[in-house]
Amino acid sequence: AQSVTQLGSHVSVSEGALVLLRCNYSSSVPPYLFWYVQYPNQGLQLLLKYTSAATLVKGINGFEAEFKKSETSFHLTKPSAHMSDAAEYFCAVNFNKFYFGSGTKLNVKP
Amino acid sequence: GAGVSQSPSNKVTEKGKDVELRCDPISGHTALYWYRQSLGQGLEFLIYFQGNSAPDKSGLPSDRFSAERTGGSVSTLTIQRTQQEDSAVYLCASSPRQGQNTEAFFGQGTRLTVV
Repeated sequence: AQSVTQLGSHVSVSEGALVLLRCNYSSSVPPYLFWYVQYPNQGLQLLLKYTSAATLVKGINGFEAEFKKSETSFHLTKPSAHMSDAAEYFCAVNFNKFYFGSGTKLNVKP
Repeated sequence: GAGVSQSPSNKVTEKGKDVELRCDPISGHTALYWYRQSLGQGLEFLIYFQGNSAPDKSGLPSDRFSAERTGGSVSTLTIQRTQQEDSAVYLCASSPRQGQNTEAFFGQGTRLTVV
């Protein structure tokens, strides 16, 4: 069974607009969730992680994510998109090894 | 540098040849992972090393793939008799400890092209 599911393989927003990237997790996995970003021809970089200390998690580059147990979601948001945010974003859970969602490519239009 | 280092960054090999991909994890990190990233296939788990425990090899796609980790540090992923479908980016990551709330730190990857 898929541990994390990302809805939308491609998302396009205008510069300055809200970014919303969706991630839902299986209720059978422990709630240790991560968001990673991958810029072209680079490895993955940690944006933020949820470890149950607080439901709203702030990460690097102005991103944040809210853990909602009732919705089994951990969506990633940023109030105002910047051109430099164009990349691929992966939601993941660490269940002895990392299980990644299929990724969402974010395009930012000028 | 202080990050995970992978070499080579790019490798082109002929079908049927063997290749070795190297990963230098962050010093002191006990966990080490290999993943494969193919176009349209997402991130595919290959193998996981944790300290002195037996590695989790459950993701290795065939017996042509093997990996070792010497002295709890450097790891080598070996692909024997390469096939065109092995073409992908191979990513290595390390973690400072075992634990589900622990993040992994990734290297830049090795892009393997089999011609």
